[in-house]
Amino acid sequence: GNSVTQMEGPVTLSEEAFLTINCTYTATGYPSLFWYVQYPGEGLQLLLKATKADDKGSNKGFEATYRKETTSFHLEKGSVQVSDSAVYFCALRGDSSYKLIFGSGTRLLVRP
Amino acid sequence: NAGVTQTPKFQVLKTGQSMTLQCAQDMNHEYMSWYRQDPGMGLRLIHYSVGAGITDQGEVPNGYNVSRSTTEDFPLRLLSAAPSQTSVYFCASSRSGVTYNEQFFGPGTRLTVL
Repeated sequence: GNSVTQMEGPVTLSEEAFLTINCTYTATGYPSLFWYVQYPGEGLQLLLKATKADDKGSNKGFEATYRKETTSFHLEKGSVQVSDSAVYFCALRGDSSYKLIFGSGTRLLVRP
Repeated sequence: NAGVTQTPKFQVLKTGQSMTLQCAQDMNHEYMSWYRQDPGMGLRLIHYSVGAGITDQGEVPNGYNVSRSTTEDFPLRLLSAAPSQTSVYFCASSRSGVTYNEQFFGPGTRLTVL
């Protein structure tokens, strides 16, 4: 079945450092891929998405590229801020389903 | 738009008690779902609905019931609470039509079963 694997956290960075959070997936067909962010005490918010191979999703300085050849959707940001501290979830939706399948989440802590 | 709302925000139950977690959305979304979030396990799908009168099981449905009598509401019922159901519960909704439509999440209900 479909599944998502993302790097374990926590990831601790200094402000203005470069961020990469790895995400790989297993799926048949052509899934849609998502990154969601959860700030402390809140629900999940969509950060970015990509719906087909080689698409790049971007938002708030974050980027991720849908790589079908490596089944990956790594999240990157060139310069993190303290306000980026949150838990980040990689997720996929199969090409014939509305169900979201989540990775286990990666906690990011950015220090001033 | 209020988006997706959930009540209560916090709840403590004793083993064997029953309760209903409420979820409502005002975006006229056809698809609604319930997830539970446990440490180190991400979010797991409990039940989902693709429209009023239609529900189906997700990954972890045991111990939970749902119904969908209206487009707006999608309550989750725990008939006999167990400590294993201690978790944070999220309701979500989205438009149907294409699978890449954004799912909107509620703020969550933190449930503790003693």
